[in-house]
Amino acid sequence: RKEVEQDPGPFNVPEGATVAFNCTYSNSASQSFFWYRQDCRKEPKLLMSVYSSGNEDGRFTAQLNRASQYISLLIRDSKLSDSATYLCVVIGRSYGGSQGNLIFGKGTKLSVKP
Amino acid sequence: DGGITQSPKYLFRKEGQNVTLSCEQNLNHDAMYWYRQDPGQGLRLIYYSQIVNDFQKGDIAEGYSVSREKKESFPLTVTSAQKNPTAFYLCATYPGVGEQYFGPGTRLTVT
Repeated sequence: RKEVEQDPGPFNVPEGATVAFNCTYSNSASQSFFWYRQDCRKEPKLLMSVYSSGNEDGRFTAQLNRASQYISLLIRDSKLSDSATYLCVVIGRSYGGSQGNLIFGKGTKLSVKP
Repeated sequence: DGGITQSPKYLFRKEGQNVTLSCEQNLNHDAMYWYRQDPGQGLRLIYYSQIVNDFQKGDIAEGYSVSREKKESFPLTVTSAQKNPTAFYLCATYPGVGEQYFGPGTRLTVT
């Protein structure tokens, strides 16, 4: 099982739709979780952190399910400007290995159509 | 303004030439990272440094070299040994807690 897995998409949705992405992680010792947004040919930018109790920022809701080891991102009332790739990032103290302790998913591409 | 600077934004080189990509930060973060991203792909770690004068290979270090002589700077050299160097290169820093911060990236094209 890959350390962090995401459905690459693309998710093609109409404006106004609600869309959800999941990201699964393999290390149960993971401690911090984030969603980043990356626009085409640009650097990733933090969208939101994911807290154990779940958190909401406007149209965006992030959830963490430690028992099933996944995080989710829900986007309500999709806008054209939401079109981007959404990267899941997991940070864990005991990953070890070559990456220090930050693991990126490969991203899920979202395309919102008029 | 605190941030990460990568220069240049676009870089063109002939095959067989070494090229150095710059990454400078004034965020006072100890850890710095270099990633490579190919079209439609995720980020792949090349090298990282958690402290000055120390760095570690990432998952795809072959054909690359780095140095970390100053906290603020973590240059990446793409050597002629790198078989497919054309890619988008991202530098990032990490303060040890919270999220990772990215520079704007350098798009390298080797012909």
